[in-house]
Amino acid sequence: ETGVTQSPTHLIKTRGQQVTLRCSSQSGHNTVSWYQQALGQGPQFIFQYYREEENGRGNFPPRFSGLQFPNYSSELNVNALELDDSALYLCASSANGDKSYEQYFGPGTRLTVT
Amino acid sequence: AQTVTQSQPEMSVQEAETVTLSCTYDTSESDYYLFWYKQPPSRQMILVIRQEAYKQQNATENRFSVNFQKAAKSFSLKISDSQLGDAAMYFCAYRISAGGTSYGKLTFGQGTILTVHP
Repeated sequence: ETGVTQSPTHLIKTRGQQVTLRCSSQSGHNTVSWYQQALGQGPQFIFQYYREEENGRGNFPPRFSGLQFPNYSSELNVNALELDDSALYLCASSANGDKSYEQYFGPGTRLTVT
Repeated sequence: AQTVTQSQPEMSVQEAETVTLSCTYDTSESDYYLFWYKQPPSRQMILVIRQEAYKQQNATENRFSVNFQKAAKSFSLKISDSQLGDAAMYFCAYRISAGGTSYGKLTFGQGTILTVHP
C-alpha cells in the first residue's frame, strides 16, 4: 500500500510568483485535504477535494486554488505569493465511508517566499 | 466556530515515565471526533489515537490513552512508559462527525513539544 506522497520537498519562490504543489493520495483514497502549517503552529485547513470537486474551504483567499484529478491526486496552486505564505504545506488523504475520519498525511512541501 | 487549545507549549518526561498532554476544545456540535497526532522532526504527521464523542469509554492504543471529558470539553493524552521515539510535536485535533461543507476539516491546536530524556 503506497502512502501519501508530495512534491517537491522544498522550494523557494519570490513574492508575486505563482507555485504549484502536488500530492498523490494513498491507494484507495478519494478525498484530499490541504493544510498550511506555519512554523511552530498547528496546521490550518485550506480546502478539501472529493471526486474532483472542492467540498469544503477554510479561511484562505481565492488565490489559493486546487485541483483533483480522476486518479485522486491533487494540486494546490497559490498565485501572487506573499511572504506570509512561507510555510509547510501538508496534504492528507482519506477514504469515503466508515473510515472517512482517518486522514493520512504526506511529508509536506516546505515553501519559502523571499 | 470550533476551536482547539493546547495550553502546554512544551513538556518533558524521563524515559519510562508517564506524561499527560492537555487539550480543550469548544464546539456546539454533539457528534464529533477528537484526535491526537504526532509530528516528529521528520515532519510526517501520524495519527496516534482517536475518540468518538458518542463513546463514553476512553480510547486506548497500547501505551497511549486518553481522558475524554465531554461536559468539560477536555481531551488529554497520557503516554505511559515513555520512549525516546515518542519525542515529537503533538497536536490535538477536532472534526465534526458528518455533514456540512467542511466535512473532513480538521481543526488543530497549537501543539505541544514533547521532549523525552534518557
